[in-house]
Amino acid sequence: DAMVIQNPRYQVTQFGKPVTLSCSQTLNHNVMYWYQQKSSQAPKLLFHYYDKDFNNEADTPDNFQSRRPNTSFCFLDIRSPGLGDAAMYLCATSRDSAGVEYFGPGTRLTVT
Amino acid sequence: GQNIDQPTEMTATEGAIVQINCTYQTSGFNGLFWYQQHAGEAPTFLSYNVLDGLEEKGRFSSFLSRSKGYSYLLLKELQMKDSASYLCAVRDLDFSDQTGANNLFFGTGTRLTVIP
Repeated sequence: DAMVIQNPRYQVTQFGKPVTLSCSQTLNHNVMYWYQQKSSQAPKLLFHYYDKDFNNEADTPDNFQSRRPNTSFCFLDIRSPGLGDAAMYLCATSRDSAGVEYFGPGTRLTVT
Repeated sequence: GQNIDQPTEMTATEGAIVQINCTYQTSGFNGLFWYQQHAGEAPTFLSYNVLDGLEEKGRFSSFLSRSKGYSYLLLKELQMKDSASYLCAVRDLDFSDQTGANNLFFGTGTRLTVIP
């Protein structure tokens, strides 16, 4: 049974056209994370939520926003995607701030 | 700052044992994690060390030395399906974060190829 679900698995968007990626979890974990991973690179943390408290990484571009309307769902909004935003976007959850992070299958974003 | 180093690539033979090393330099330490990532897929949790010593879980073992900033992942009885990238990740301590959340910093991964 999938515990961290991401939709869609593959997303194609046009340069500058807003796109939203979604993540849901059935683990009832407090923390949800969004990572960006480019080919052959380490996952890079964009931001995370501890419950409703939002934490943005200092080097995350303003072009990236996030929403967490409830415990189960978290969204990544890219307001004006550029070609450099093409990547795999990984959602992860953990029970608390020190716990194991469990990843969803990822959404591969292509920008044309 | 944070720095995590691991070899880029390794090759090993089916049935053999392979050790993947990881060294780290972080401003704080709150645990070291190993993840397996197959091409085009999400990372899957393998092991966790917070205290010095060896943690064993089936064919996989992980070792930590905090004083040396060093860990290794040991894979025994290698199978073809073990061909993947293995990511070392360190959880930092960041008391400036109001939520107390501690970020996980990943290395770039070691691509392991298992050959017959």
